Amino acid sequence: QSVLTQPPSVSAAPGQKVTISCSGSTSNIGKFYVSWYQHVPGRAPKLLIYENNKRPSGIPDRFSGSKSGTSATLGITGLQTGDEADYYCATWAWDTSLSDGVFGGGTRVTVL
Amino acid sequence: EVQLVQSGAEVKKPGESLKISCKASGYRFTNYWIGWVRQRPGKGLELMGIVFPDDSDTRYSPSFQGQVTISADKSTSTAYLQWSSLKASDSAMYYCGRPTVTTEIDFWGQGTQVIVSS
Repeated sequence: QSVLTQPPSVSAAPGQKVTISCSGSTSNIGKFYVSWYQHVPGRAPKLLIYENNKRPSGIPDRFSGSKSGTSATLGITGLQTGDEADYYCATWAWDTSLSDGVFGGGTRVTVL
Repeated sequence: EVQLVQSGAEVKKPGESLKISCKASGYRFTNYWIGWVRQRPGKGLELMGIVFPDDSDTRYSPSFQGQVTISADKSTSTAYLQWSSLKASDSAMYYCGRPTVTTEIDFWGQGTQVIVSS
């Protein structure tokens, strides 16, 4: 029962661009940092974006993040077959109680 | 190098107890929270709760409060997730992860598969 809404799936051809939206509210995205994760089921999730738009070392600049108001977006350019995975947004804060729905529902990216 | 190494897959019967582990290395264990994340088959990621190993401060997401116990042993740099009475609905992959001060989870364990079946 996530409070962060993501499209279930997006797809594009190799080399193209996809964007994944994450819609929340003034109680979550509107107040807190957003992070994004890439997850191939059965493998450890990987942090792609933190603090809305920063990339950890080793994450290529094909991946980008942005936030505006109560929504966030993950962009992937130059799509590769290795990018096929599930992508999750997440947002929460230390100074509040944990709530259900820290993670979005996830978006499956398919490379056509 | 930061590493979180989880215990192996488990197959249990309903009603049995279980404790899975996440051993940390490569950083000061008591300086960071550790969280547990569930993924049921075909479903998304769910943050279950977090523990601060230095003082064992523990917080649970509402859906998991009273259903599991999260703990940490700073003498062995290991975090734990335990159930007193498993249900079939606890069948899932469980990941531990290290949330940073700005809440992103920068390092993850490899996952522990739990199967609960009679």
